[in-house]
Amino acid sequence: QKEVEQNSGPLSVPEGAIASLNCTYSDRGSQSFFWYRQYSGKSPELIMSIYSNGDKEDGRFTAQLNKASQYVSLLIRDSQPSDSATYLCAVSGGSYIPTFGRGTSLIVHP
Amino acid sequence: GAGVSQSPSNKVTEKGKDVELRCDPISGHTALYWYRQRLGQGLEFLIYFQGNSAPDKSGLPSDRFSAERTGESVSTLTIQRTQQEDSAVYLCASREGPNNEQFFGPGTRLTVL
Repeated sequence: QKEVEQNSGPLSVPEGAIASLNCTYSDRGSQSFFWYRQYSGKSPELIMSIYSNGDKEDGRFTAQLNKASQYVSLLIRDSQPSDSATYLCAVSGGSYIPTFGRGTSLIVHP
Repeated sequence: GAGVSQSPSNKVTEKGKDVELRCDPISGHTALYWYRQRLGQGLEFLIYFQGNSAPDKSGLPSDRFSAERTGESVSTLTIQRTQQEDSAVYLCASREGPNNEQFFGPGTRLTVL
């Protein structure tokens, strides 16, 4: 069974700090990796996708992928209170049905 | 352009009644997914449609659940004889190409009394 593991948190960081969110996955054949942000009471919103080893940067967000160690992470620089949300990691392989982690709750306090 | 839309946004029903939930994907998106999210829980895959291919129903929890999609347009998720355990937010997502980036609708919050 394919599994995606995330620490449920909450992860609490002060405003302006770097928030680091981690995700591990069990299927070595996984090829596509995604981070979604979900505000309370709202639906998930895609914020980052990454397909090859290394870093991918988009504004304040950096996704990091290490296929050998089977982990993917999301760094949020200069964290803002508006970044407070649950972050879902999703992983897919040959199937078009991704496996979602249960999410990490992030709290950015002023 | 317009995103994924879902209706109704909220549905309250009595145990034993049937409900229909609707999803309008982003125009041109060939793939459509239904998920269920119980309060405080992760996303639970229900069913996947890709073009005119047979849907992947492997996530449907029981035969009370069914879904249809006409071509590459609207999809309807039907839950028959609803139970209190069916109470959840039902999310629809669509995808354009092979990269698996999904875009979610706002969801339908179903409450079974």
